[in-house]
Amino acid sequence: GESVGLHLPTLSVQEGDNSIINCAYSNSASDYFIWYKQESGKGPQFIIDIRSNMDKRQGQRVTVLLNKTVKHLSLQIAATQPGDSAVYFCAENNYGQNFVFGPGTRLSVLP
Amino acid sequence: DVKVTQSSRYLVKRTGEKVFLECVQDMDHENMFWYRQDPGLGLRLIYFSYDVKMKEKGDIPEGYSVSREKKERFSLILESASTNQTSMYLCASSYQLAGYEQFFGPGTRLTVL
Repeated sequence: GESVGLHLPTLSVQEGDNSIINCAYSNSASDYFIWYKQESGKGPQFIIDIRSNMDKRQGQRVTVLLNKTVKHLSLQIAATQPGDSAVYFCAENNYGQNFVFGPGTRLSVLP
Repeated sequence: DVKVTQSSRYLVKRTGEKVFLECVQDMDHENMFWYRQDPGLGLRLIYFSYDVKMKEKGDIPEGYSVSREKKERFSLILESASTNQTSMYLCASSYQLAGYEQFFGPGTRLTVL
């Protein structure tokens, strides 16, 4: 497999539990945020996005929360499954700027 | 679905060789990007292109060049590969430069000996 994320923080959760992955972003002017999932040996895959005019957005089994006051983004995964095991990272962006990507968190789902 | 493909999944090259990494997208996106990804670091932007024959430096362009002769194809070139260019290289494309999702290819794991 790939060596992406060898030194990443790891979150271990029991199958069926909820997972919360956090991200601190750097630019208070950022107005668009994405969560990506990257499985071993694959490219990043879009999970969910949110714009700065929202505090919360829900998808299928996933919820993103945005706290602009403290520049914090979180990804909540409900009823975590083995297929959710991957590296998750956030990305921030605003018009005229390139995306800035966080280093990621490795999610490990325990049977 | 958007599809971004990269010419190789794994490459092994020797120091000093010229290396070409190819990327093709099928969604008629104006914008394409090359990143490198190293353990414990976020993706770092090498170069991007917002139109055919147009290119802009990203955060770490040194040692790299790019070519965009056709809209769907964006090539990354290592003129003289060095060991510190051993990395995972990811290509992406998007509808807009900002405010929209970037779609990524599967990556090319390059090892320079």
